[in-house]
Amino acid sequence: QSVLTQPPSASGTPGQRVTISCSGSSSNIGTDTINWYQQFPGTAPQLLIHSDNQRLSGVPDRFSGSKSGTSASLAISGLQSEDEADYYCATWDNSLNAFVFGTGSKVTVL
Amino acid sequence: EVQLVESGGGLVQPGGSLRLTCAASGFTFSNYWMTWVRQAPGKGLEWVANIKGDGSEKYYVDSVKGRFTISRDNAKKSLSLQMNVLRAEDTAVYYCARGVIGDSWGPGAQVIVSS
Repeated sequence: QSVLTQPPSASGTPGQRVTISCSGSSSNIGTDTINWYQQFPGTAPQLLIHSDNQRLSGVPDRFSGSKSGTSASLAISGLQSEDEADYYCATWDNSLNAFVFGTGSKVTVL
Repeated sequence: EVQLVESGGGLVQPGGSLRLTCAASGFTFSNYWMTWVRQAPGKGLEWVANIKGDGSEKYYVDSVKGRFTISRDNAKKSLSLQMNVLRAEDTAVYYCARGVIGDSWGPGAQVIVSS
């Protein structure tokens, strides 16, 4: 099982704000920056946010990332139907000497 | 434009071997770490291995250590994953990605390990 824990799902109506948490430990989130990925069914993941809170070029500013201690969050404000996807957090784990992904969260737009 | 394209996937029996290749273009390949990530059917993402730009450092997830080997040919802008002693639990879509964190990804290659 993954060392980064995310809620299996999150949902909201169009325009609402949705937040996804990512819980880790001192050997991963506590010491390295967090990255967030978006994946639509049947397609490859895409990097959304790197270095805790830096959006990749072209990513809408309704996506934002934050980190505190050994936890991180991805927020989607002004939720849109096209945001319906799976989201994963990830970072390097210094104890495992491996890159680790979170368990993934499915965002549903009601 | 960064492009990554995996090839070499397919159906293989348990205990067998397969070699995946990722062809890269649109960037200076030798300047970047490269990564393999896999996704089993209906499951989440799992990091498999990565390799430094000059090939001097390699890291693997515990479950593939001793069975999989990551390598690269910078002259050919090519990344490889040699997979030996394959198990049913290695069945997945395998993605190659640029960098340690994967800022660009290929479309993936399907690997099915089954008798």
